[in-house]
Amino acid sequence: AIQMTQSPSSLSASVGDRVTITCRASQGIRSDLGWYQQKPGKAPNLLIYAASTLQSGVPSRFSGSGSGTEFTLTISSLQPEDFATYYCQQDYSYPVTFGQGTKVEIK
Amino acid sequence: EVQLVESGGGLVQPGDSLRLSCVASGFTFSSSPMNWVRQAPGKGLEWISYLSSSSSTEKYAESVEGRFTISRDNARNSLYLQMNSLRVEDTALYYCARRAKIAALDHWGQGTLVTVTS
Repeated sequence: AIQMTQSPSSLSASVGDRVTITCRASQGIRSDLGWYQQKPGKAPNLLIYAASTLQSGVPSRFSGSGSGTEFTLTISSLQPEDFATYYCQQDYSYPVTFGQGTKVEIK
Repeated sequence: EVQLVESGGGLVQPGDSLRLSCVASGFTFSSSPMNWVRQAPGKGLEWISYLSSSSSTEKYAESVEGRFTISRDNARNSLYLQMNSLRVEDTALYYCARRAKIAALDHWGQGTLVTVTS
């Protein structure tokens, strides 16, 4: 199975900060990567798919980049509603795998 | 409005069986590949199964292979997960999710909780 490793596991940031989360795949996955946001008690919400395509309705402060084995999710200016846990996910090959998550907390 | 509503969770003992259901509305279910994803309490997301729109292709995580079976009834806009030989480690919130594109689970249900305890 392809392993997805996110870093950092958690971070503290302030409103207005630029935040970057990295996801590394244990082998190449082309651009078959998605990013999800999950808030406590809620289902995950798709932010980015195909590594860099913004899902409809998602604010433009979210962006994704990368291909192959290294990917990033960037929040250009952190907003109060962005404090949540973020997951990457590959479905280049089965089994589909998620990263372990990155919790973004208020500094 | 797209909606996915899971049901069927509950409190069971190790070795028991459960059947989860997910009823879809607001989109063409018969054209949509579907997945089950679970989340143990306080833990991350774990994909467990995929089923193509025509049911021709099904995939499972190693942790549930041979014990869980995914199926669907396109006439009823419903997805199912038959879970047999349940283990304590299967305790989780189970979500159904639509796969819209590559690496794009774009709609999720609210989840149904399965608790396996002796």
